[in-house]
Amino acid sequence: GAVVSQHPSWVICKSGTSVKIECRSLDFQATTMFWYRQFPKQSLMLMATSNEGSKATYEQGVEKDKFLINHASLTLSTLTVTSAHPEDSSFYICSALSSGKQTQYFGPGTRLLVL
Amino acid sequence: KNEVEQSPQNLTAQEGEFITINCSYSVGISALHWLQQHPGGGIVSLFMLSSGKKKHGRLIATINIQEKHSSLHITASHPRDSAVYICAVGSSNYKLTFGKGTLLTVNP
Repeated sequence: GAVVSQHPSWVICKSGTSVKIECRSLDFQATTMFWYRQFPKQSLMLMATSNEGSKATYEQGVEKDKFLINHASLTLSTLTVTSAHPEDSSFYICSALSSGKQTQYFGPGTRLLVL
Repeated sequence: KNEVEQSPQNLTAQEGEFITINCSYSVGISALHWLQQHPGGGIVSLFMLSSGKKKHGRLIATINIQEKHSSLHITASHPRDSAVYICAVGSSNYKLTFGKGTLLTVNP
């Protein structure tokens, strides 16, 4: 089946630093990728939709200047958490939409802890 | 009120039991997804369906569009089925809205 990878899987950083998370579709092209966030014991929440070659679309309440998304190629989207603070500590998951199959494939997630 | 409601929130079963997890939604959808999330957090897509019934191994998913209800069944449950099962509904632009999940524990 289709594989989506995320890197890193775990990151611990100091407050105020920026963290970049990569999402790659390994064996298919994805014109659209989604970024989700999951706080402990909460549902996954969509943060933004990332479209290759264009600006991301952010959900209400998600600061686009804080969560920078770049979808530079058909197999890579990056999420940068700028000036991270402890409240940004969460589990970040991406999914990639296989245009041919119209199916979303999820990455393994990245756990971010901001001290 | 959450747009996607799952029940039960927690479910404990003995190995071999037949398990049912329910999902109700209140919005129009293009497809419904059942996902499995293991303790490490990684998510696996189990089913995507827009009508009828799908079967994969011991897993069966059904959906009733008129009643806005879906069920996930696991036959002959096994401890390795222990995970959080999440129902998510998709709109025409593929955005997903997730339920809170059902924590399933299957004891040997």
